[in-house]
Amino acid sequence: NAGVTQTPKFQVLKTGQSMTLQCAQDMNHEYMSWYRQDPGMGLRLIHYSVGAGITDQGEVPNGYNVSRSTTEDFPLRLLSAAPSQTSVYFCASKGQRIYGYTFGSGTRLTVV
Amino acid sequence: RKEVEQDPGPFNVPEGATVAFNCTYSNSASQSFFWYRQDCRKEPKLLMSVYSSGNEDGRFTAQLNRASQYISLLIRDSKLSDSATYLCVVNDGGGADGLTFGKGTHLIIQP
Repeated sequence: NAGVTQTPKFQVLKTGQSMTLQCAQDMNHEYMSWYRQDPGMGLRLIHYSVGAGITDQGEVPNGYNVSRSTTEDFPLRLLSAAPSQTSVYFCASKGQRIYGYTFGSGTRLTVV
Repeated sequence: RKEVEQDPGPFNVPEGATVAFNCTYSNSASQSFFWYRQDCRKEPKLLMSVYSSGNEDGRFTAQLNRASQYISLLIRDSKLSDSATYLCVVNDGGGADGLTFGKGTHLIIQP
């Protein structure tokens, strides 16, 4: 049981480049979320999904897109990377009747 | 903006001691409450849920005071392995269960 798997673990991008952060879970969880964590800040919600085909914006959605075509996968797309998007990104999932989210191990992104 | 406030610390505590820290939350309609633990450069992991009546899990005790809108975590007989950042997390019941994270309290257990 792999839980929540994020790839890549590390990434360096140049300003203006685009990329997709991958997130997959094998627990058949309905809810999936993307957070970013910056020094001195709490985790902030970027986008979330309550089921396949359903996504919505969180607190800091600008510059990011998501889709949820399957229950298992919830990729996060950076459209045109900016240095302000340098951060650690965590994907998380939970079942509808389960307390607490399970987090992936994170992707450390640097935009230069 | 919904806020969850924590003392960032660090709390430097000798091994075997008891340590407690609190957090306060701004949204009186918040529905559920959690403590997560985050080790350096790792993902957050659920430590325990917090119930209105208070709850205990081994050396850890969590309490909730809805009237004053604060949550506490008590660690007894602290171990070196308890060194971590403890995140207070509140569920406001919004989208994807609307979690709001505090910035965390850094705990260092010293031998």
